[in-house]
Amino acid sequence: QVQLQESGPGLVKPSQTLSLTCTVSGGSISSGGYYWSWIRQHPGKGLEWIGYIYYSGSTYYNPSLKSRVTISVDTSKNQFSLKLSSVTAADTAVYYCAVDRWSLWFDPWGQGTLVTVSS
Amino acid sequence: QSVLTQPPSVSAAPGQKVTISCSGSSSNIGNNYVSWYQQLPGTAPKLLIYENNKRPSGIPDRFSGSKSGTSATLGITGLQTGDEADYYCGTWDSSLSAGKVFGTGTKVTVL
Repeated sequence: QVQLQESGPGLVKPSQTLSLTCTVSGGSISSGGYYWSWIRQHPGKGLEWIGYIYYSGSTYYNPSLKSRVTISVDTSKNQFSLKLSSVTAADTAVYYCAVDRWSLWFDPWGQGTLVTVSS
Repeated sequence: QSVLTQPPSVSAAPGQKVTISCSGSSSNIGNNYVSWYQQLPGTAPKLLIYENNKRPSGIPDRFSGSKSGTSATLGITGLQTGDEADYYCGTWDSSLSAGKVFGTGTKVTVL
C-alpha cells in the first residue's frame, strides 16, 4: 500500500523559504484520482490544509496561504514538494503530506515533520 | 479559525458510547462528503470514516459516522482506553475561501 515520508530541514530562519519533500512508496504518484496534499498542525492546535497537486501539475492552495505556497511534483522520483516563502514564527508546525483520494478524504498520511521557524 | 465546530472534549467510562458532533453550513457539510480522523498522542492522523459513513478496511464497526443537513456525527461504542485521542472531521468548503477544511477537534477521554 502507499506510504509517505516527509523530509527537509527542521529549522528555518524567519523570512526564509521552508522546503519539504514527500517521498511516495508502494504506489505511483501518477495514479489517477489521487491528489497529493500538504497539511500542517501548529503545536497543540488543529489541522490546517495547505494545498494539493495532481500528477499532471495542476494545483489548488488554501486561499489564506496561496500567496506564499508552491507545491510541485517530480514524477520521475515519485516525490512532491512544498515551498512556503517568507516564513515567520507563526509557520512553526508539524507538516504532514497525505493522499487526498478523489479530493474526498485523506489516506494515508506521512508521519509528519516538525519545522521550527527561529533565528 | 475553522468553519467546522466540534466540542472541545467528550468523556465516558470504558464500554460506554460517545458521540462527537461536527457543525458546519451549506457551503461545506451541507453539500459535501464528511470524513473523520483519529489522532493518537504523538502520531499522525488516521482515517476513520469517509463519505459520511463508510469505514476503511481495518477500522472496527465500533466507529460509525452519519450526516444530517449541515452537521455530521462520529459515534464510538464499546469505548476502550486505546480510543483516547483527538478526533477531527473534514470536508470541502465552497465558500469564497474555498478549500479543504477540518473541524476544531475533539479530545476523547476514557474515564
